[in-house]
Amino acid sequence: DAGVTQSPTHLIKTRGQQVTLRCSPKSGHDTVSWYQQALGQGPQFIFQYYEEEERQRGNFPDRFSGHQFPNYSSELNVNALLLGDSALYLCATHLGQGARSGELFFGEGSRLTVL
Amino acid sequence: DAKTTQPPSMDCAEGRAANLPCNHSTISGNEYVYWYRQIHSQGPQYIIHGLKNNETNEMASLIITEDRKSSTLILPHATLRDTAVYYCIVRDNFNKFYFGSGTKLNVKP
Repeated sequence: DAGVTQSPTHLIKTRGQQVTLRCSPKSGHDTVSWYQQALGQGPQFIFQYYEEEERQRGNFPDRFSGHQFPNYSSELNVNALLLGDSALYLCATHLGQGARSGELFFGEGSRLTVL
Repeated sequence: DAKTTQPPSMDCAEGRAANLPCNHSTISGNEYVYWYRQIHSQGPQYIIHGLKNNETNEMASLIITEDRKSSTLILPHATLRDTAVYYCIVRDNFNKFYFGSGTKLNVKP
């Protein structure tokens, strides 16, 4: 049973460019959340997708957008990259909006460096 | 808008119990407390979670105070492989996980 998989694992972009990160959820999971983790800090919630719609959003600008596909996989897009967007981007998945308990499964992350 | 407060670092001798404290004084009645750990910027790994009662699994124990404003994660016999950053997290009613800054646990021989 594959866990949460993310791609790419590492990438380098320059300021002003756009980036797309991808996430495949753990088998059976239908809810995907994205987190940004700057160096030395805890992960910060970006947004959450369920039934192909953005359900919750953290304090991130509109440059950060996402998408969820019918197979529950998800993409995170960041436009007009800034140096401060350099971080580890984590995807986390779980089952169902109604389940407020249970484990959240994280992928290994995509390390983005903006030059 | 972190909902948890943790000490930045702690030391523990190998084989001894590690007790990691966390304050979550603004937690709401039906919000869960979770603990994860992260090793070398890998993806966070689940340890344990609870609502009101104390919980125990094969990895750790979670002690939640009666007023739910704080909790303690206990690793009963710390090993060198337990060296990691430990995050105390509040899960809200919308399934958002609020991470704090974490505690860097250093297990020493």
